[in-house]
Amino acid sequence: DTAVSQTPKYLVTQMGNDKSIKCEQNLGHDTMYWYKQDSKKFLKIMFSYNNKELIINETVPNRFSPKSPDKAHLNLHINSLELGDSAVYFCASSEPGPRSGNTIYFGEGSWLTVV
Amino acid sequence: AQSVTQLDSQVPVFEEAPVELRCNYSSSVSVYLFWYVQYPNQGLQLLLKYLSGSTLVKGINGFEAEFNKSQTSFHLRKPSVHISDTAEYFCAVSDPSTGFQKLVFGTGTRLLVSP
Repeated sequence: DTAVSQTPKYLVTQMGNDKSIKCEQNLGHDTMYWYKQDSKKFLKIMFSYNNKELIINETVPNRFSPKSPDKAHLNLHINSLELGDSAVYFCASSEPGPRSGNTIYFGEGSWLTVV
Repeated sequence: AQSVTQLDSQVPVFEEAPVELRCNYSSSVSVYLFWYVQYPNQGLQLLLKYLSGSTLVKGINGFEAEFNKSQTSFHLRKPSVHISDTAEYFCAVSDPSTGFQKLVFGTGTRLLVSP
């Protein structure tokens, strides 16, 4: 069973389109995230949600809108896609509490290519 | 703001040789430290983590890391590498200012193991 699963894994789309990436975790975690990995493999947090509430928003353009229907799901919707949005998007979730150190577990990634 | 430095962008090594991947972080407060591995076209997998206690941390696949507070370092080591260890390795830190909810990553080190 995949702990953090996201779909689709690969997505090729044209500039200006709107697309969504879905994420689900079956770990029972309260906190979920979206991270972006650029073409140079640099990873940076975009958003975090705790029990459906937005906690961190790292100055991401408002074309990116996360939605958390429940604490096990965090979807990412992107409007008006631009070439610079091409990246790998990782969903993640974390185990709370001092014993775990809020360890973050990542999904397999969604490779988005905008043409 | 937190930052993580991985000085080596690429480390070539022969199979069965030892390897050390370097990681330094900037912080004057207690932090949590992590190493993740990313195999080609895959997600991020947790190798090991330091939360507190013993400064030598053992992880999966024979890797270990040593936390050195005075040098603000968390170097990753393996005494004998395999071809299958070829991957990108990321060091990351989280700190109490974000409730340990935000991982700041280094730029990654590509480990290339050749026969």
